[in-house]
Amino acid sequence: GQSLEQPSEVTAVEGAIVQINCTYQTSGFYGLSWYQQHDGGAPTFLSYNGLDGLEETGRFSSFLSRSDSYGYLLLQELQMKDSASYFCAVKRSGAGSYQLTFGKGTKLSVIP
Amino acid sequence: ETGVTQSPTHLIKTRGQQVTLRCSSQSGHNTVSWYQQALGQGPQFIFQYYREEENGRGNFPPRFSGLQFPNYSSELNVNALELDDSALYLCASSPPGQGSYEQYFGPGTRLTVT
Repeated sequence: GQSLEQPSEVTAVEGAIVQINCTYQTSGFYGLSWYQQHDGGAPTFLSYNGLDGLEETGRFSSFLSRSDSYGYLLLQELQMKDSASYFCAVKRSGAGSYQLTFGKGTKLSVIP
Repeated sequence: ETGVTQSPTHLIKTRGQQVTLRCSSQSGHNTVSWYQQALGQGPQFIFQYYREEENGRGNFPPRFSGLQFPNYSSELNVNALELDDSALYLCASSPPGQGSYEQYFGPGTRLTVT
């Protein structure tokens, strides 16, 4: 079967750095994506790791270790607007197509 | 450039009824995926359409079906609605050549089954 584990909630202070971890178990693994979703909003794409290592996009960085079935999202210089749910999602092959399987999400609360 | 749009935004149906949800993909995107998101959970993959054919399906019963049209817009149909079908239904489109890792989501349709 498939499983993704990420913390359900994280609280951090404005201006700080926070890391959200994701471990996965799946067949046909291709890569790991991260999405942000504000309450009442649609998920928006943040980053993708197809290869091991670090990907940086502005204040956000994402890391993947395929051998450890592990990845993380790093948010720097936290702002109040970063309060949202963050989902890791595995891109996997199955039945002739590529699919995204999402974790249950981590609710990040940024406090002053 | 118009993003992904979905209609209706909210819908209330009675158990046993049928519902059709609609999605217009972002311009130039030829792949559409549908997801069900229960409150406090991550999106669950229902199925994906590419070139008007179903191209992958998650663990959902056959009463969940779909269509994709030549303009890449799509419909999700759910028959014999159950109370557990109450959720946010999200449509996401992907551009050609990108696989499915970068998906652009619509605002969703909130379905309530009573």
